[in-house]
Amino acid sequence: DVKVTQSSRYLVKRTGEKVFLECVQDMDHENMFWYRQDPGLGLRLIYFSYDVKMKEKGDIPEGYSVSREKKERFSLILESASTNQTSMYLCVTAGLAGNEQFFGPGTRLTVL
Amino acid sequence: AQSVTQLDSQVPVFEEAPVELRCNYSSSVSVYLFWYVQYPNQGLQLLLKYLSGSTLVKGINGFEAEFNKSQTSFHLRKPSVHISDTAEYFCAVSGYGRAQKLVFGQGTRLTINP
Repeated sequence: DVKVTQSSRYLVKRTGEKVFLECVQDMDHENMFWYRQDPGLGLRLIYFSYDVKMKEKGDIPEGYSVSREKKERFSLILESASTNQTSMYLCVTAGLAGNEQFFGPGTRLTVL
Repeated sequence: AQSVTQLDSQVPVFEEAPVELRCNYSSSVSVYLFWYVQYPNQGLQLLLKYLSGSTLVKGINGFEAEFNKSQTSFHLRKPSVHISDTAEYFCAVSGYGRAQKLVFGQGTRLTINP
């Protein structure tokens, strides 16, 4: 059974903290994506990666960075968390064909 | 680069009425198109997708969508809605091949009134 896991379902952090969100997939997919989902704004792409050590900025990369040292693992890093980064964060994976996506369960991050 | 616009943020309809949720996209490359549904407090679930072939695509729960290349649209339709269709619906577009983005629209909240 296909599996995309995220390190936490709920996370509470303080302003200024460095935050790591991790996504792991077991499908050998090349493409991995990080989104944030906010009411009325849909899913906005933060970063994506199409191979190990390869990354591309999405539509809202400011305040975030990513790391992909191994094919199965894609990490999202908030260098200095701010309250406006309170959101639901979703990891999505897809094969090179791009014709099917798989979603992680999401991490609801609250920054106080 | 790809982009998606869902033309209505909210659509209220009466039960058993037909509904159309509109989606337009732009892309410099050939694309795949998707519709996802998100029920309250749940994750996204695939409704249907267009990859190639027939431009009319049928999905789950009686939904269908038509790919119109000349108008760059992929509108979602259902001939008769049910209360259980109350949810948020997302249109998405993906290029295919290496390093292609997967982009979602802003979502349309469908509310079914009895």
